[in-house]
Amino acid sequence: NAGVTQTPKFQVLKTGQSMTLQCAQDMNHEYMSWYRQDPGMGLRLIHYSVGAGITDQGEVPNGYNVSRSTTEDFPLRLLSAAPSQTSVYFCASSRYLQGTTEAFFGQGTRLTVV
Amino acid sequence: GQQVMQIPQYQHVQEGEDFTTYCNSSTTLSNIQWYKQRPGGHPVFLIQLVKSGEVKKQKRLTFQFGEAKKNSSLHITATQTTDVGTYFCAGRAGSYQLTFGKGTKLSVIP
Repeated sequence: NAGVTQTPKFQVLKTGQSMTLQCAQDMNHEYMSWYRQDPGMGLRLIHYSVGAGITDQGEVPNGYNVSRSTTEDFPLRLLSAAPSQTSVYFCASSRYLQGTTEAFFGQGTRLTVV
Repeated sequence: GQQVMQIPQYQHVQEGEDFTTYCNSSTTLSNIQWYKQRPGGHPVFLIQLVKSGEVKKQKRLTFQFGEAKKNSSLHITATQTTDVGTYFCAGRAGSYQLTFGKGTKLSVIP
């Protein structure tokens, strides 16, 4: 049981380039989300999905797109990278049921935009 | 929108001292969760509190959820070097979304 898998672990982009951060989970979780983590800012929600075909914006969605074609995968696309998008990105998944709904996080992607 | 404030931002303690971090929400929460992130790692779930006034313990860690379900605390008794990391609270106010506090970074001096 791999949990939540994120790729790549590290990435350097030039300003204006686009790329996709991959996220996959094998726990059949309905809910998946993307966060960015910057020093002193905690974890800020970028986009989330409550199931295949359903996505919505979080706190800081500008410059990012997502799609959810399957339950397992939730890729995050940077359309035109900017230095302000230098950050650590975490994908997370969880159930949404009664009881404990803990979020399982991937290992993170450290992105630098130069 | 919902906001979750967490204090302090940093805490340095001598090994063996106690540590507490506090979390306050701008809205009433349906539940609150706590996570620990080791340096260079990813957040890992510690616990979820659901009931008003709930207190849960995990060895040296004590978690409390306020009576009004708007605040919470994490207390560590007799810190050890293995406790080093950043502790986050995360509140859910009825929707799917978890709103995270900014975290408290704990340093333990041996």
